[in-house]
Amino acid sequence: KNEVEQSPQNLTAQEGEFITINCSYSVGISALHWLQQHPGGGIVSLFMLSSGKKKHGRLIATINIQEKHSSLHITASHPRDSAVYICAVRKGAQKLVFGQGTRLTINP
Amino acid sequence: EPEVTQTPSHQVTQMGQEVILRCVPISNHLYFYWYRQILGQKVEFLVSFYNNEISEKSEIFDDQFSVERPDGSNFTLKIRSTKLEDSAMYFCASSESRGGNQPQHFGDGTRLSIL
Repeated sequence: KNEVEQSPQNLTAQEGEFITINCSYSVGISALHWLQQHPGGGIVSLFMLSSGKKKHGRLIATINIQEKHSSLHITASHPRDSAVYICAVRKGAQKLVFGQGTRLTINP
Repeated sequence: EPEVTQTPSHQVTQMGQEVILRCVPISNHLYFYWYRQILGQKVEFLVSFYNNEISEKSEIFDDQFSVERPDGSNFTLKIRSTKLEDSAMYFCASSESRGGNQPQHFGDGTRLSIL
């Protein structure tokens, strides 16, 4: 069983829609990361959180430690948001364990 | 904004050859990591490195692999006697400190193709 599960695996939406990507994990963690992987393969760190909620521009990330669940929301989605979004949890001090990613496509 | 840089962006190597992937972490960062992503699969942890020694490694990181910080700026991953299944995207990352609230910053990756 995967330690980090994301849903959905693929998501297609129209420009302007509100997007939610979910991440559930089954292990104890010290932090959770949301990452964005561009079509060329590069990875960008969006958020790191261990409790509560963080917001950056149109992106919002929340985490519920008791339920072992995190969500990434995108408001007013735009075609440039199209990418793979990856949830990764930090087990212990350093090692990251990754989810399989959610491929998001925003159509104009 | 400071970046993690990786070279080359694409490396093609014959099976059985040695390959060295290079990374320049962010200058004030102390913790360094290598990850790999086989095409179509999720990213996997390989190794973490601090104070000139490996601090954690995965079961993937066997004797075929080694890491080194040969000078004050570079961090390298060496794969000896490459196999076809080593074909993957390899990502380097660095962080300012371990754990806590310090994010890992990723490079753009090196795509390794073994023929």
